[in-house]
Amino acid sequence: DAGITQSPRHKVTETGTPVTLRCHQTENHRYMYWYRQDPGHGLRLIHYSYGVKDTDKGEVSDGYSVSRSKTEDFLLTLESATSSQTSVYFCAISEFGLATYNEQFFGPGTRLTVL
Amino acid sequence: AQKITQTQPGMFVQEKEAVTLDCTYDTSDQSYGLFWYKQPSSGEMIFLIYQGSYDEQNATEGRYSLNFQKARKSANLVISASQLGDSAMYFCAMRELIYNQGGKLIFGQGTELSVKP
Repeated sequence: DAGITQSPRHKVTETGTPVTLRCHQTENHRYMYWYRQDPGHGLRLIHYSYGVKDTDKGEVSDGYSVSRSKTEDFLLTLESATSSQTSVYFCAISEFGLATYNEQFFGPGTRLTVL
Repeated sequence: AQKITQTQPGMFVQEKEAVTLDCTYDTSDQSYGLFWYKQPSSGEMIFLIYQGSYDEQNATEGRYSLNFQKARKSANLVISASQLGDSAMYFCAMRELIYNQGGKLIFGQGTELSVKP
């Protein structure tokens, strides 16, 4: 199994509080991703990183920010949590070479509840 | 924009029978990749199978095969000889390439498969 951990695994917080989720990898993969999973929507990309300090937005980036100061860590921050951000959050990593095939490996997920 | 559609929210199959999970996609890219992931009730995402757009043969991995019909833009997952442990949510995904930024996955809504004993 790819070495990906997420912390915390579960969190309950109140509306308006800041929240930071951490993704840590031991695979030295270049690309890292944050997805959220909601019923009826599958997984939707929030932000991704294609290198240290290189990030870009996904399809549901409003209300989220990210940072990547070193290869192994990718942080997702909710500056002021809202109930609509209650979800399961997955981190993923991949390595992209010359071949078209690049599997994404997923972390175990973080269940976030915003009351 | 790229899009993945899974039209079957839920399916039932009898143990030991084969089942096909549907997936259609939309893209204007010539080079792309299609993936299937399994998510059991425990929540982890498990990679099952991959098909490249230039692959001439359908991908197979054990009991999983991907019925790739490029002209129809479909990439259906076939599970042969279903087992109780196959009960899970299944997601089809397509890789979107981004110049100099690698690739990201676009997911369908998922199909929940229940295997009956």
